Amino acid sequence: EIVLTQSPGTLSLSPGERATLSCRASQSISSNFFAWYQQKPGQAPRLLMYDISTRATGIPDRFSGSGSGTDFTLTISRLEPEDFAVYYCQQYGTSPPFTFGPGTKVDI
Amino acid sequence: EVQLVESGGGLVQPGGSLRLSCAASGFTFSNYWMSWVRQAPGKGLEWVANIKEDGSEKSYVDSVKGRFTISRDNAKNSLSLQMNSLRAEDSAVYYCARGHSAPDCWGQGTLVTVSS
Repeated sequence: EIVLTQSPGTLSLSPGERATLSCRASQSISSNFFAWYQQKPGQAPRLLMYDISTRATGIPDRFSGSGSGTDFTLTISRLEPEDFAVYYCQQYGTSPPFTFGPGTKVDI
Repeated sequence: EVQLVESGGGLVQPGGSLRLSCAASGFTFSNYWMSWVRQAPGKGLEWVANIKEDGSEKSYVDSVKGRFTISRDNAKNSLSLQMNSLRAEDSAVYYCARGHSAPDCWGQGTLVTVSS
């Protein structure tokens, strides 16, 4: 099973600032099968990025994903008030289980 | 509008059973893999199981293999998760989600609490 580690655990920033979230995998992820989700309190997760760098439907372009192999990054270019949430990375390589990272909380 | 609505959660004793259901609408259900993902209170996400469009392929996380069964009824646009031999560590919000592995639509979840 591939284990994902996210850093930092909490990111304290202000609206307008740039956020850089990291995720490291215990082994190389095959075929770019990597995603990011956003979750706000009391809500279901929302898919942000898939296949490393493809934005899901309706996701604004201030969100971008990058990386390869074992190291991946989610960047929010300018934080909006609605972006303060918990972000999870996920790998969905060739076979299950499709594991998630422990999450990074972005707060003010 | 895509909608996924879970039901069937509740309080159950250790060793008991529960069946979760998910009603899908707003898309052609039979064209999509479907998944269950859970989240223990205050914890992160855990992928639980998925099922192919026609139900011919199913996969499970190791911790639920032999205890949980995922199924679907394409005629009724419905997804189910039969959970047997429940343990305290199965307590979580269970989400129904559209997709094989990186779900793009999620329900609001149903809470399962396993406790005596």
